[in-house]
Amino acid sequence: GQQVMQIPQYQHVQEGEDFTTYCNSSTTLSNIQWYKQRPGGHPVFLIQLVKSGEVKKQKRLTFQFGEAKKNSSLHITATQTTDVGTYFCAGGSGYSTLTFGKGTMLLVSP
Amino acid sequence: NAGVTQTPKFQVLKTGQSMTLQCAQDMNHEYMSWYRQDPGMGLRLIHYSVGAGITDQGEVPNGYNVSRSTTEDFPLRLLSAAPSQTSVYFCATIKRGFNEQYFGPGTRLTVT
Repeated sequence: GQQVMQIPQYQHVQEGEDFTTYCNSSTTLSNIQWYKQRPGGHPVFLIQLVKSGEVKKQKRLTFQFGEAKKNSSLHITATQTTDVGTYFCAGGSGYSTLTFGKGTMLLVSP
Repeated sequence: NAGVTQTPKFQVLKTGQSMTLQCAQDMNHEYMSWYRQDPGMGLRLIHYSVGAGITDQGEVPNGYNVSRSTTEDFPLRLLSAAPSQTSVYFCATIKRGFNEQYFGPGTRLTVT
């Protein structure tokens, strides 16, 4: 079945440093979504990418979808302590099937 | 609107006991799903439903049953709890035509 790999598993940065997490799928995706989960909380939807090569920005967050629609990345510029949490990518191949990566846990030290 | 609600928030079961995790939504979303989250494993799909009366298995369905008699409710039943079912369980919904998933606050289950 479809597999979605996410790296790194964990990253600890100093506040102000940049952060990037990468997501790779074993199959071509119809779309990719990104979620953020704060410690003790539930996943919260950040964004969805559907087009090959698509790039979207949300303030300090930049999301990219690869040309082959098999990989994606989330880049945070100048991290803040409020960015702490686990970031998940989720690859979609249809309306009802979504495969989550194992997530990247981000810790930001002030 | 309450969005997606889950009860209970915490539960401790003994091996072999049964219980039902409740999930309710007031957004009239057609699609509902159950995930379990274990440390280092991400979110794994247990069961899902694309509408009332329709359910299907996800990646890890063994040991769990679901039913969907109404649009609003999607309970998850553990028939005979096992320690391997210790996990955090999330219910999620999607509105037809969109892909964004709305997650409930989760139920933390421990089976001893």
